[in-house]
Amino acid sequence: GAVVSQHPSWVICKSGTSVKIECRSLDFQATTMFWYRQFPKQSLMLMATSNEGSKATYEQGVEKDKFLINHASLTLSTLTVTSAHPEDSSFYICSAGGSTSGLFSYEQYFGPGTRLTVT
Amino acid sequence: QQQVKQSPQSLIVQKGGISIINCAYENTAFDYFPWYQQFPGKGPALLIAIRPDVSEKKEGRFTISFNKSAKQFSLHIMDSQPGDSATYFCAATIFGNEKLTFGTGTRLTIIP
Repeated sequence: GAVVSQHPSWVICKSGTSVKIECRSLDFQATTMFWYRQFPKQSLMLMATSNEGSKATYEQGVEKDKFLINHASLTLSTLTVTSAHPEDSSFYICSAGGSTSGLFSYEQYFGPGTRLTVT
Repeated sequence: QQQVKQSPQSLIVQKGGISIINCAYENTAFDYFPWYQQFPGKGPALLIAIRPDVSEKKEGRFTISFNKSAKQFSLHIMDSQPGDSATYFCAATIFGNEKLTFGTGTRLTIIP
């Protein structure tokens, strides 16, 4: 149980275009989803926290208008990188937390990540 | 300040040896300390986690040692195998907050 999927697993786009990344919790309801960014050989940097049905909370320094997050249901959150530029190239990872089997869990379950390359 | 410091940055251990990764935190409000294993091109996977009410937790070859007074915790991998070669992240969080504060990561290489 507790499987999180991401789609696509990798994407190449041209500078100036927008890219949408989906994050789905497959077998549990994710009350909270998190979006991270990871550069090569570095740690995960939290970009934003999203709760189902409400606006995302962005970390300091993360542009809200550039990284649009929507958490429309308890199993789906999307990250849209708008007007992408080469510096947005990175590994984007989502995680989902919330109740499994009706019990609160500290645990976050991570997706496999999406490699974005902007040319 | 909500930092988690992790060391070493990289570690090479011979097959069958013990791998030890250390983390230190500053915020005494942290009450959940997970370790994650990440292979190249993949998302992190939860390995083992501990609450501050116990000093040690063991799951198979993986053990967390926790020192509340020193605000330190460590991961021990016994009988290290080449398949354990990965990057390991410690993390910490506060009940009700859910946001994880990650360490900087340790790249572990197990050599035959």
